[in-house]
Amino acid sequence: QSVLTQPPSTSGTPGQRVTISCSGRSSNIGSNTMTWYQQVPGGAPKLLISRNSQRPSGVPARFSGSQSGTSASLTIRGLQSEDDATYYCATWDDSLNAPVFGGGTKLTVL
Amino acid sequence: EVQLVQSGAEVKKPGESLKISCKGSGYNFAGYWIGWVRQMPGKDLEWMGMIYPGDSDTRYSPSFQGQVTMSADKSINTAYLQWTSLKASDSAMYYCARQGQWEPPSDWGQGTLVSV
Repeated sequence: QSVLTQPPSTSGTPGQRVTISCSGRSSNIGSNTMTWYQQVPGGAPKLLISRNSQRPSGVPARFSGSQSGTSASLTIRGLQSEDDATYYCATWDDSLNAPVFGGGTKLTVL
Repeated sequence: EVQLVQSGAEVKKPGESLKISCKGSGYNFAGYWIGWVRQMPGKDLEWMGMIYPGDSDTRYSPSFQGQVTMSADKSINTAYLQWTSLKASDSAMYYCARQGQWEPPSDWGQGTLVSV
């Protein structure tokens, strides 16, 4: 059982907007900034968003993150076929003194 | 460019020992924590712990304390994860990743697949 809760799957068609949620508690999302990763099959996790909304160079602007209270979300606008992947949320947990991850959301681009 | 390059896949028998490596480049290796993350087949990400190569300060997740040993050699920009007696349940992909002390990992290695 992951510390952060994500829906196991979602889907969308090219061009659509998709939002992936992540919920936690006051000791993690409620106290710290969010990180999001993309993992394609057979690949390592890749940093998409850090500190709630910062994108590393090379990550398209159609990926955005937000946080409110003990929940966070990743939004992908203008969905593309290459976005077909699993997305993980993560943050630091002050009680566990460790980073914690969501269980991952498998995004299928139809 | 930050790069973390891990050692290759390993196939071992139960009871054998193993040490895998993670070599960093493109940044001050000694000045950032290196975390280790396990991903079992088809499963999610589990943080195992982290080491600060500058002084080898090490923090383990309670789930992995006593099961593995993390070490680092800052002179060659390399971190290590080792087992003294592998079990079949240790079969997984292991990632090293650069991280801040109170942040999730940012830059990831390509992973080392361990099969026991």
